[in-house]
Amino acid sequence: QLVLTQSPSASASLGASVKLTCTLSSGHSKYAIAWHQQQPEKGPRFLMKLNSDGSHNKGDGIPDRFSGSSSGAERYLTISSLQSEDEADYYCQTWGTGLYVFGTGTKVTVL
Amino acid sequence: EVQLVESGGGLVQPGGSRRLSCAASGFTFSTYGMNWVRQAPGKGLEWIAYISGFSTTMYSADSVKGRFTISRDNAKNSLYLQMNSLRADDTAVYYCARDPDGSFDLWGQGIPVTVSS
Repeated sequence: QLVLTQSPSASASLGASVKLTCTLSSGHSKYAIAWHQQQPEKGPRFLMKLNSDGSHNKGDGIPDRFSGSSSGAERYLTISSLQSEDEADYYCQTWGTGLYVFGTGTKVTVL
Repeated sequence: EVQLVESGGGLVQPGGSRRLSCAASGFTFSTYGMNWVRQAPGKGLEWIAYISGFSTTMYSADSVKGRFTISRDNAKNSLYLQMNSLRADDTAVYYCARDPDGSFDLWGQGIPVTVSS
């Protein structure tokens, strides 16, 4: 079964970095994922598509502060130089034949 | 401007029907698969349906199978979601999302649907 696991929350100070993890279920370690940001009271915004080799393609206008990396079944989103507007929910998303799956989301708090 | 704009939401009685629309602009609509995703109040994102560029392939989540139907009209650059037999747990904000390769690289602003008597 294709499942994505995310920690419910993360926090870091203004100007610091935070690294979010999205873990693919057993047998799916080669799957690509996408990261999406959802600021409070807004719709989701595509951040990037992240492949199993760590290569990634970011959406239009996404700052360089956002980067992605991969290791085994884990997919990471690193936000550097945290800004107040980075306080949001972050969802990972993947896909297979006939289905699409979201993680439960990680709420990032900027201290 | 490249954008997706949903419409058609509102208050619906349990057992009722509603059709959502998503107007696409700024890109060649027919070259992309499209999806509907929803978010119940205070909850995460839930994928509900996919349609390929020329409507040859459609998928839907088990939670809506047999009740919701996705369709599109490429001449009108529009995506639709026909929702029948609506239940209270269908109450959510509904988003359309563009799909170039499985990832959702463009989202609409969302439209709320409330199912209540």
